[in-house]
Amino acid sequence: AQSVSQHNHHVILSEAASLELGCNYSYGGTVNLFWYVQYPGQHLQLLLKYFSGDPLVKGIKGFEAEFIKSKFSFNLRKPSVQWSDTAEYFCAVGPSGGYNKLIFGAGTRLAVHP
Amino acid sequence: GAVVSQHPSRVICKSGTSVKIECRSLDFQATTMFWYRQFPKQSLMLMATSNEGSKATYEQGVEKDKFLINHASLTLSTLTVTSAHPEDSSFYICSAPSSGGAGTDTQYFGPGTRLTVL
Repeated sequence: AQSVSQHNHHVILSEAASLELGCNYSYGGTVNLFWYVQYPGQHLQLLLKYFSGDPLVKGIKGFEAEFIKSKFSFNLRKPSVQWSDTAEYFCAVGPSGGYNKLIFGAGTRLAVHP
Repeated sequence: GAVVSQHPSRVICKSGTSVKIECRSLDFQATTMFWYRQFPKQSLMLMATSNEGSKATYEQGVEKDKFLINHASLTLSTLTVTSAHPEDSSFYICSAPSSGGAGTDTQYFGPGTRLTVL
């Protein structure tokens, strides 16, 4: 069955702490991988994406993610979080070369305290 | 970047009435759009794929007669919730892929529509 698993439902950090959010997927075939962010009261925004090539992907606002094919993982990282990073983060997977019919993880709520 | 809009952003209706939600791709054409439903504090659940010029395809468990989808043009898809009931209250989000080339579609999401059925 196709699925996306995000291990942390709630994460609380202080400013300047490092962040790593886990994402594992189960999906047949070649995939595209995404991280989306949803700030309070706002719509989903693309943070970064992986289609092919370098498995270390850099996105906006200092975020990066690493695709480890052998582990079916696509973990999101940021070396130093800010209060403005408080949001909900969704990992998503879709078929490579298709219409990107995405399957989302349950999301991780990140709260950053000043 | 690509922009997707939705209208209305918020709607309150009485039980038994129908509600139409519009999804527009503002600066690009989309032969395919997707409709999601997001329950409070939960992830997005894909409801259906809207196809311009053909019938929508629905995910398992989604009632096609209740959630009518019409892809009227290359920039507009509508979702009509027919005979709405309180359990249909939810946040409905559409998305459209903007092609970056073969196999590199990226989904852009609308801001969502909050439906409350009384």
